[in-house]
Order: sequence, then structure tokens, then C-alpha cells
Amino acid sequence: NAGVTQTPKFQVLKTGQSMTLQCAQDMNHEYMSWYRQDPGMGLRLIHYSVGAGITDQGEVPNGYNVSRSTTEDFPLRLLSAAPSQTSVYFCASRTRQSAYNSPLHFGNGTRLTVT
Amino acid sequence: RKEVEQDPGPFNVPEGATVAFNCTYSNSASQSFFWYRQDCRKEPKLLMSVYSSGNEDGRFTAQLNRASQYISLLIRDSKLSDSATYLCVVNIPGGFKTIFGAGTRLFVKA
Repeated sequence: NAGVTQTPKFQVLKTGQSMTLQCAQDMNHEYMSWYRQDPGMGLRLIHYSVGAGITDQGEVPNGYNVSRSTTEDFPLRLLSAAPSQTSVYFCASRTRQSAYNSPLHFGNGTRLTVT
Repeated sequence: RKEVEQDPGPFNVPEGATVAFNCTYSNSASQSFFWYRQDCRKEPKLLMSVYSSGNEDGRFTAQLNRASQYISLLIRDSKLSDSATYLCVVNIPGGFKTIFGAGTRLFVKA
């Protein structure tokens, strides 16, 4: 029972490089989301998806793209990395059924450093 | 104004103490509420949901006051293992957004 799997766990990028953070879940959850966590800021919502083919912006979407071609996968793309994107990134999912009462399940996180 | 605000902390308490955390939310249409626990450099994990009538899970009690848009978490008989960051979480209707407070750090000392 893998739950939510994020890769990689650690990544160092140079300014201007691009990369994709991977997220996959095996719980058939309709809702998936990406958060970033910075010291003193808590978790801030980047993008989310309520089902395959549907995505929407969260609180801090600039500099990030997402797509949802399958229920299982929700990759986060950084097209041109900036030092301000140095953070810990968490992917999370939950069932849409009774969505308002269902808690989020988190991946282990990706620690990204942009130099 | 942030959508979810928490006591800044940190809270430093001795073992056995009772400690309370507060949280306020700005969207009066918010429909569900949770407390999560996050250990250092780990992912957040659900501690408990918060129901309108209040609810208890062992040493933990959660309360919700919709009129004041206020949520609380009470921890009784604190253990060393309770040391963590406690996150107040609110589900915003209409877009399935889940918003987190910045968290309150708790240190329980022997």
C-alpha cells in the first residue's frame, strides 16, 4: 500500500533550469494538490486538481505548471527555476467523495534547492 | 489577512501539562476543519477532524465555534512524544481548496 509517492526526495537546480516533480497515488483519489512549505509560512497551495483533465490555481501558482492526464499522476513542472522556489514541496491527495470531510494524504516531500 | 491564522508559538511546557492551541479562519463558508501534526522535516499527518459539537480522541480535544470562526485544540497530560508542529486546516467550499495555518510549534520537556 504505497499511498502517495513523490520523487525525487532531494534536488539541486541552477537558476533557469527546468524540472518536473513527480507525484503518484494508488488510492484512486480524485483530488490531488501541490503545496510548498517555507519556514514561518506554513503550507501554501500551488495548484490542485479535482479529477483527470481538470486543474486549478492555488495561492501561489506563479512559476509552476501542472497537468492531470490520469487519476494516478499529478506532476509539477518548474519551467525556469528561481532561487525563490527553494522550498520543500508536498503532494497530497484525498477522495472527492464527501470531500469536505475527507483529510489529505501526503507524500514524503521533495526538498528543492535552487542556486 | 491570512485565511487561517494560528498562535505563533513556540509553546514550551513540562510533561504532564495541559496546553491549548487556537486558530481562526476568515471564510465564514468554510465547511470542514482539521488538526494535523507535523514532525520535523516530515510530511503532515492527520491528528483529528473537528466537529461542530466538539470531539475528543484520548488526550486530545478539538472545539469549533462557527459564530466566532474559531477552532481550538487541547492536549492534556502532555508527553515528550507530543513535541511537534500542530497545523490548523480548513477546507474552503466551491473549489475544494484546503488551506493550512502556519502552525504552532510545541516543545514538551521532561
